[in-house]
Amino acid sequence: SQQGEEDPQALSIQEGENATMNCSYKTSINNLQWYRQNSGRGLVHLILIRSNEREKHSGRLRVTLDTSKKSSSLLITASRAADTASYFCATGGSEKLVFGKGTKLTVNP
Amino acid sequence: NAGVMQNPRHLVRRRGQEARLRCSPMKGHSHVYWYRQLPEEGLKFMVYLQKENIIDESGMPKERFSAEFPKEGPSILRIQQVVRGDSAAYFCASSPFEGSSYNSPLHFGNGTRLTVT
Repeated sequence: SQQGEEDPQALSIQEGENATMNCSYKTSINNLQWYRQNSGRGLVHLILIRSNEREKHSGRLRVTLDTSKKSSSLLITASRAADTASYFCATGGSEKLVFGKGTKLTVNP
Repeated sequence: NAGVMQNPRHLVRRRGQEARLRCSPMKGHSHVYWYRQLPEEGLKFMVYLQKENIIDESGMPKERFSAEFPKEGPSILRIQQVVRGDSAAYFCASSPFEGSSYNSPLHFGNGTRLTVT
């Protein structure tokens, strides 16, 4: 069964707006990772947040982690058309990452 | 520094044929993972290999599927007697395994899209 579940399944915004995607998981974790997948391509690692971290930033990305609620969020600020992609959260050790079904983000120019 | 290379990018097979998917990990990476992705779905773990060893194949179907990562050459995912349900994108990923693997992100290839007709 899926460990991570992203919400919403699809999100459409205008360029310049912020995009927020959420991920819920079921069991305790060592870390949580976010990946991006452009259409027809492989996954690209965006950011990893450890279980003892609450918030992490990388450029226009901000990730939060609430282990008490077993949830994480990914915020993309000042979105660009190039951010159009599917975004997945993943949990587990690198030996066996478990992915959610993803959020499909469309950024309209 | 080349990334994870997968070939072919697209593969069409008739039912009953064999499919062989290849993956060359990033330079310096000795750990390879195979994942399968159905349309509009996330990736599902299939198998994790090190050179000449299968570490975890808990996600691999028991029949028709096999994987190897020989001492020399790429990792191979082999599907025998393919059926329509095998149609999917198959992704390979690699990692360097430095110390604690729990904090090591995976590097993915662009996948092989298998279509079974």
